[in-house]
Amino acid sequence: GENVEQHPSTLSVQEGDSAVIKCTYSDSASNYFPWYKQELGKGPQLIIDIRSNVGEKKDQRIAVTLNKTAKHFSLHITETQPEDSAVYFCAAFKAAGNKLTFGGGTRVLVKP
Amino acid sequence: EADIYQTPRYLVIGTGKKITLECSQTMGHDKMYWYQQDPGMELHLIHYSYGVNSTEKGDLSSESTVSRIRTEHFPLTLESARPSHTSQYLCASSGIRGLKYEQYFGPGTRLTVT
Repeated sequence: GENVEQHPSTLSVQEGDSAVIKCTYSDSASNYFPWYKQELGKGPQLIIDIRSNVGEKKDQRIAVTLNKTAKHFSLHITETQPEDSAVYFCAAFKAAGNKLTFGGGTRVLVKP
Repeated sequence: EADIYQTPRYLVIGTGKKITLECSQTMGHDKMYWYQQDPGMELHLIHYSYGVNSTEKGDLSSESTVSRIRTEHFPLTLESARPSHTSQYLCASSGIRGLKYEQYFGPGTRLTVT
């Protein structure tokens, strides 16, 4: 089955700096890669996603890149703000398996 | 905003009690899931359903059971709660909208068994 590894597990950045979270996946048939943000006391919320026919996608201060050959994808947050503090999960999906496989999560702390 | 709801949000209950965690969604999604989230953050899939009368066990073994009698409703039951069941339980649903796969989570139920 699919295996998704996520690094780092914790990330502390100064407000205004950039944050980068990296994930690798094992199954080359995976074709959809969402990122979720989970704030304290809430369920994970989808913040951005990318399909395997796209190399990069950007939405305001967040961007995701995908390298299909190397089977890794990354989340980039620029100009971090205290409200970016949360746990972030990457995930991989393939149609045949019909379910998401999640990475272990990254706890991001943005220090003011 | 995802239309998926979980009740109760918080539950403290004594050992041996039977409990049911409710989950419902109004997005018309066929697929629904239950995840258990430990304090270390990781999400563990414990049950899923591909439609009415379909239920499957997930990757993590769980003493809980689920049922799917209606598309919008996917309750989880613990027949006899134990302290080891203390955890955060997250319900999710997924579907295809156009060509896009989407999966949304509910707000979670934090269960404490004393």
